Amino acid sequence: SQTIHQWPATLVQPVGSPLSLECTVEGTSNPNLYWYRQAAGRGLQLLFYSVGIGQISSEVPQNLSASRPQDRQFILSSKKLLLSDSGFYLCAWSQGSGGTQYFGPGTRLLVL
Amino acid sequence: GNSVTQMEGPVTLSEEAFLTINCTYTATGYPSLFWYVQYPGEGLQLLLKATKADDKGSNKGFEATYRKETTSFHLEKGSVQVSDSAVYFCARISNTGNQFYFGTGTSLTVIP
Repeated sequence: SQTIHQWPATLVQPVGSPLSLECTVEGTSNPNLYWYRQAAGRGLQLLFYSVGIGQISSEVPQNLSASRPQDRQFILSSKKLLLSDSGFYLCAWSQGSGGTQYFGPGTRLLVL
Repeated sequence: GNSVTQMEGPVTLSEEAFLTINCTYTATGYPSLFWYVQYPGEGLQLLLKATKADDKGSNKGFEATYRKETTSFHLEKGSVQVSDSAVYFCARISNTGNQFYFGTGTSLTVIP
């Protein structure tokens, strides 16, 4: 069966510090991968998606970036965090386009 | 545009009450539709889905019928339990299949 992992589960970072969140998927190959952000009391905002290694599509301009160095690894990064980057970050995968998306447990980020 | 609109919460119900959470969508064509549930502090879990018009998705006592005439996918449950307290998200898949469009979420609290 397929599983999706995210770490860390919780992170507290000062403004201006770098960020690296990791997401890995097991039990499948060549998945589509997604990063979402959920701000407090709000819905989900798609940040990035990837259909293959090294292929990243950005949905919202911001100070975040994403990379996919391996087939089942998706990383969300920032060089300098802003207060507004606080939120709940969710990684998801789907088997190809048009498939159901399955979500990881999320990372709660607090920028102080 | 292409979007998902769901009823605003929060919704508070007594145990064993009937639940309806409205969801409507706009799209060209008939995209697959989904309901996800997010329990406190967790990621999203797929609750049910429908892939074509007139399909009914069901799971854990929840049901939703894909109605193309009204472009709706309302979530219903005949008798809610305290354990159903969560945030519910309606979603549809994009025409390209690479993205999901989520509603803003509806918070449900069931009191004993």
